[in-house]
Amino acid sequence: DAKTTQPPSMDCAEGRAANLPCNHSTISGNEYVYWYRQIHSQGPQYIIHGLKNNETNEMASLIITEDRKSSTLILPHATLRDTAVYYCIATYTGRRALTFGSGTRLQVQP
Amino acid sequence: EPEVTQTPSHQVTQMGQEVILRCVPISNHLYFYWYRQILGQKVEFLVSFYNNEISEKSEIFDDQFSVERPDGSNFTLKIRSTKLEDSAMYFCASSSPGTSGTDTQYFGPGTRLTVL
Repeated sequence: DAKTTQPPSMDCAEGRAANLPCNHSTISGNEYVYWYRQIHSQGPQYIIHGLKNNETNEMASLIITEDRKSSTLILPHATLRDTAVYYCIATYTGRRALTFGSGTRLQVQP
Repeated sequence: EPEVTQTPSHQVTQMGQEVILRCVPISNHLYFYWYRQILGQKVEFLVSFYNNEISEKSEIFDDQFSVERPDGSNFTLKIRSTKLEDSAMYFCASSSPGTSGTDTQYFGPGTRLTVL
């Protein structure tokens, strides 16, 4: 699985969009980009995943660059409950062992 | 919405004792996983299980660990002789075949294991 790089921490004002970047410059053509988050010590929560196209669901949007070397997770209207560690994972299929890095600690400020 | 459940939420045991952590995966899922997270560290993969067999395991998953699906609903992780360094949060996850060959893993809330 391709290595991913994320900033260690970010702040965002409540109600504003949170844009979390992820670099995966060595990603291969059939590797997906998955995003999870972990609130305190709870189990990782699935957010969204994509291959090439941008994706949107009720939680977030995922923007993948055309060359697939990076992506951005967008939380359109961040709330205090979105404060968490966000993980970007590149993997051939979600069925495989997921390799969690250190992620980005997002702090949503009131 | 279906979810993965785990019991107990917190388990305290003495070093050298056997523990069994229990998980009920999402009902129509076919793939099952265990991960652990030592306090302050990354989430680490332990093992994946499909069709009553281990399909993948990490170096952490040594002979003191075993997994079992004893019935149609439960998935268990057994640690035969616990060590202090086994103290961690243990997360169960499950997935089912998705579109385009992707399987999304859904995680349970975890069991906090404390070895004294």
